[in-house]
Formats: sequence, structure tokens, C-alpha cells
Amino acid sequence: AQSVAQPEDQVNVAEGNPLTVKCTYSVSGNPYLFWYVQYPNRGLQFLLKYITGDNLVKGSYGFEAEFNKSQTSFHLKKPSALVSDSALYFCAVRASNYQLIWGAGTKLIIKP
Amino acid sequence: EADIYQTPRYLVIGTGKKITLECSQTMGHDKMYWYQQDPGMELHLIHYSYGVNSTEKGDLSSESTVSRIRTEHFPLTLESARPSHTSQYLCASSEYGLGLGGTGELFFGEGSRLTVL
Repeated sequence: AQSVAQPEDQVNVAEGNPLTVKCTYSVSGNPYLFWYVQYPNRGLQFLLKYITGDNLVKGSYGFEAEFNKSQTSFHLKKPSALVSDSALYFCAVRASNYQLIWGAGTKLIIKP
Repeated sequence: EADIYQTPRYLVIGTGKKITLECSQTMGHDKMYWYQQDPGMELHLIHYSYGVNSTEKGDLSSESTVSRIRTEHFPLTLESARPSHTSQYLCASSEYGLGLGGTGELFFGEGSRLTVL
């Protein structure tokens, strides 16, 4: 079955520390993977995507994500967290019907 | 900033009422989508359209209907609202889809939060 899992409902990080938001997926074939962010009372915004090529992809606001085929993971990372990074983060993967399957989201809280 | 707009942002109505959630985009995108989002849950695709006069049902069964008479406009209608329809509805558009090598990113509106009493 095709699926996306974000195992952590919430991640707490101190400002200035590195952050990781986890995502694992299950699809057949080569995955198309995405991260989106949702700030309070705002629509979702695209952060980055992996289609092919380098396993480390860079995106908006200093975020990056690492594709690991053997672990079927696509974790979101940032070297130094900002309070303004606090938001809800969604991982998504392209399904066989060419639509996106979404994770349940991870709430990221950055404490000053 | 994405040029996609949803109205109303918030709506509280009684059971049995007919409602239409509006979605418009000024980017000229052919592809538009409606998702349902509940707290702590995945986004679920309920309808999508790849162009004028083209609409399809998504993965999540929904009693709502959609129309696509103009490229920029993709309204969602509930003929008779029920408390089970209480949710947030997100509209999105994309220039490129995800089929046949497409890698299109989605642009989302700010959502319409519907409460049915």
C-alpha cells in the first residue's frame, strides 16, 4: 500500500540548534517526494522536492532534505533553527495515480 | 506569495443549508484541486480538475460537487450541509501535474474553515 508516515506529532528544538523532521514513505518505483510548510492561518507553501539526482536537496528558508532510498526516508533538516520556523510541516509522495499522498504533519516548535 | 484566493475564510451554518466555497487563481494554471484537512490528519484529495469542463473525484469520498467553467475559478458546493462536513477545505493549483514526468508544485489558498451546527 502507498503511504507516508511522519512519526512525530511534535518536535521541540531550541533556537540555534539543528532540527530534523522525519518522513518515511512506501510507494512502488522511483518516488517523487515533497515537503510543504503551513504557518498559522496561512495556506501550505512548497519548501522543496526530490525527483532525481543528488540525494541532498536544498529548498526555501535554508531547509534541506535528504533522500535515503534504502531506508525509504526523506527527512527535513536545517542546521540552525529560528523561532520563525515554528509551523506545521507536511511530507508528501506521488502516488501511482499521479496525485499526492500526504503525511499527517509534524508541528515544529522552536523555543527562544 | 501565491495568487490563489478562497472565500469565505470562515463559515458557520446550520444543518441542511446549501453552501458554496469559492476558489480563484490568477496564475492561469490548468490544474486545480480541493483538499480536506482535519487537525492532526493527512490532507485528503476530494476533487481535482485538469482544465475547463474537466472534473474528477479524488481519493476521499465526498458529498460535495465541483465545477470548472472558467480556468481561474473552481467552486465547491455542498447541497445540504451536515455536521460531518465540518472541516477545513483547501484549494490548490499547479502549472504542471505529477504525471508523465511532471514535477509540479502546488500553490495553496489560505483555506475555508466550515462549521456545520
